[in-house]
Amino acid sequence: DGGITQSPKYLFRKEGQNVTLSCEQNLNHDAMYWYRQDPGQGLRLIYYSQIVNDFQKGDIAEGYSVSREKKESFPLTVTSAQKNPTAFYLCASSIDSGTGHSPLHFGNGTRLTVT
Amino acid sequence: QKEVEQDPGPLSVPEGAIVSLNCTYSNSAFQYFMWYRQYSRKGPELLMYTYSSGNKEDGRFTAQVDKSSKYISLFIRDSQPSDSATYLCAMSGGYNKLIFGAGTRLAVHP
Repeated sequence: DGGITQSPKYLFRKEGQNVTLSCEQNLNHDAMYWYRQDPGQGLRLIYYSQIVNDFQKGDIAEGYSVSREKKESFPLTVTSAQKNPTAFYLCASSIDSGTGHSPLHFGNGTRLTVT
Repeated sequence: QKEVEQDPGPLSVPEGAIVSLNCTYSNSAFQYFMWYRQYSRKGPELLMYTYSSGNKEDGRFTAQVDKSSKYISLFIRDSQPSDSATYLCAMSGGYNKLIFGAGTRLAVHP
């Protein structure tokens, strides 16, 4: 079955540590995205990538970094510079990054808790 | 003011009721409108997708867009306990910059 796999489902880290969230897709989609979801707020875009080896900052990129070395993979690193890292992180992909209105397909998220 | 406003609920209805979920928006450039359903601890899944104004029906679900009022709705007929989830509206003027509402939590009780 095609889809987006995020791992791990739950992640616990101590304050001051960097942590990397995995996102893999086998949908052959060009574009991939990272969103953060907090209670009472809409999904907020962290980073997105339209092609391999290229990515752009979203609305809340500070304290995060990404890479896109392969079409299938778009890992997100939450650095110690991110002031409020505890959240539910969602990875998504879309088939067409050019037209601008392709629906997003989401993974099942990673719940990160930093104490 | 947020670009997209959505009442967070929770909305609690009896099984079989008609449910109306709504979003308002401020950006008149929005042309693509989507509704996602998100079950607890899962990722959102696309439910409905509409372009510009008008209605779209899919089974028990109807999406309605009124661009003149900057208002979109999702109607669920004959609601079922399995419809209990958070419903997110999302919209775009293009270039894959989707703006999401905060989501409305719906509970359908038997």
